[in-house]
Amino acid sequence: AQSVSQHNHHVILSEAASLELGCNYSYGGTVNLFWYVQYPGQHLQLLLKYFSGDPLVKGIKGFEAEFIKSKFSFNLRKPSVQWSDTAEYFCAVNAPGAGSYQLTFGKGTKLSVIP
Amino acid sequence: DAGITQSPRHKVTETGTPVTLRCHQTENHRYMYWYRQDPGHGLRLIHYSYGVKDTDKGEVSDGYSVSRSKTEDFLLTLESATSSQTSVYFCAISDGSIVGETQYFGPGTRLLVL
Repeated sequence: AQSVSQHNHHVILSEAASLELGCNYSYGGTVNLFWYVQYPGQHLQLLLKYFSGDPLVKGIKGFEAEFIKSKFSFNLRKPSVQWSDTAEYFCAVNAPGAGSYQLTFGKGTKLSVIP
Repeated sequence: DAGITQSPRHKVTETGTPVTLRCHQTENHRYMYWYRQDPGHGLRLIHYSYGVKDTDKGEVSDGYSVSRSKTEDFLLTLESATSSQTSVYFCAISDGSIVGETQYFGPGTRLLVL
């Protein structure tokens, strides 16, 4: 079974700082990768996803992520964060190559942006 | 946002009582999922359904059962609630695309078991 690791539990940044959240997964075959965001008190919303093609994926609200197959990584980036980006971010993976479309989530990274 | 509603949105119950949570979708998607979210654990899959009357267990299924008698409704039942089942429960749906399956989440149900 695949697993997902998010290295940072809580990240605190000032507005305009750059952001990079780490995500590593364990499965060596074909994977689909996702980042979800959960604003305080709300449900999960899809931020971006990677299925195939260009490993640099652009999502909503200025976020992007890069799939590096050799490193089993899918890190999330944003060049300049805003206070409104304060939320919890979840990386998730499924492995259609293993016949599994079930999503496996990381434990989440809480981002606090200080005005 | 995908057409997913969950009811109730909040519930307080006592240990030992049965509880049923409902997920309703208007997207006619084939797959439906129940997750629980707990601090430090992320989201963990409880049960999922791949069609009417077709369900399977997820990672944390003990103490939970599900039913799906219609495409649009997926029920999660706690037969005898325990304090360890205090959590936020999210329903998700997907269309089961082979190319890439994206799950969309409902607003959640906050359950407190006293």
